[in-house]
Amino acid sequence: SQQGEEDPQALSIQEGENATMNCSYKTSINNLQWYRQNSGRGLVHLILIRSNEREKHSGRLRVTLDTSKKSSSLLITASRAADTASYFCATDRNDMRFGAGTRLTVKP
Amino acid sequence: EAGVTQSPTHLIKTRGQQATLRCSPISGHTSVYWYQQALGLGLQFLLWYDEGEERNRGNFPPRFSGRQFPNYSSELNVNALELEDSALYLCASSYKGFRTDTQYFGPGTRLTVL
Repeated sequence: SQQGEEDPQALSIQEGENATMNCSYKTSINNLQWYRQNSGRGLVHLILIRSNEREKHSGRLRVTLDTSKKSSSLLITASRAADTASYFCATDRNDMRFGAGTRLTVKP
Repeated sequence: EAGVTQSPTHLIKTRGQQATLRCSPISGHTSVYWYQQALGLGLQFLLWYDEGEERNRGNFPPRFSGRQFPNYSSELNVNALELEDSALYLCASSYKGFRTDTQYFGPGTRLTVL
């Protein structure tokens, strides 16, 4: 069964705009990770946020975590065409549960 | 440093056959994970190996099996292939187990069952 569920399923924006993706999960976690997947290839790790953290930044990425609402958001600022990909959140217990992903399209 | 490698890149089989997929983790990583990603769907956890032992298994039938070798590389075997087994199979590795560690993914093996 899936643990993380991303929202929206698909998002289309213009280059330069910000993109926000959300992730909800069901059970308590130790950490939550965001990954990117380009065109059905392997996943690339973007950022890990631990359950005792509320916000984390990495370059143009900003991740928030609200454990009371069991949700996380990924913000990509000043998006570029190269950001076009599917984005997944994954939570850990004794395995890693991925959601179905948000398909982001950034139009030049 | 070499990343996670998987072979073959593509594999075409017919229903009822067996498929063997291979994965080599990043040097120094002892944990290997297998995931199935059917078209348009998220990743479904298949198997987790660490130090040669199966540590956890996803909700898949027993015809999905695997093993981890002393050099930490791993094999995923799928017996009695069914059409719905067609998917991208991703392997990932990490230094330690799930709880604290980032997983590094290989490029995947695309299995097509005809």
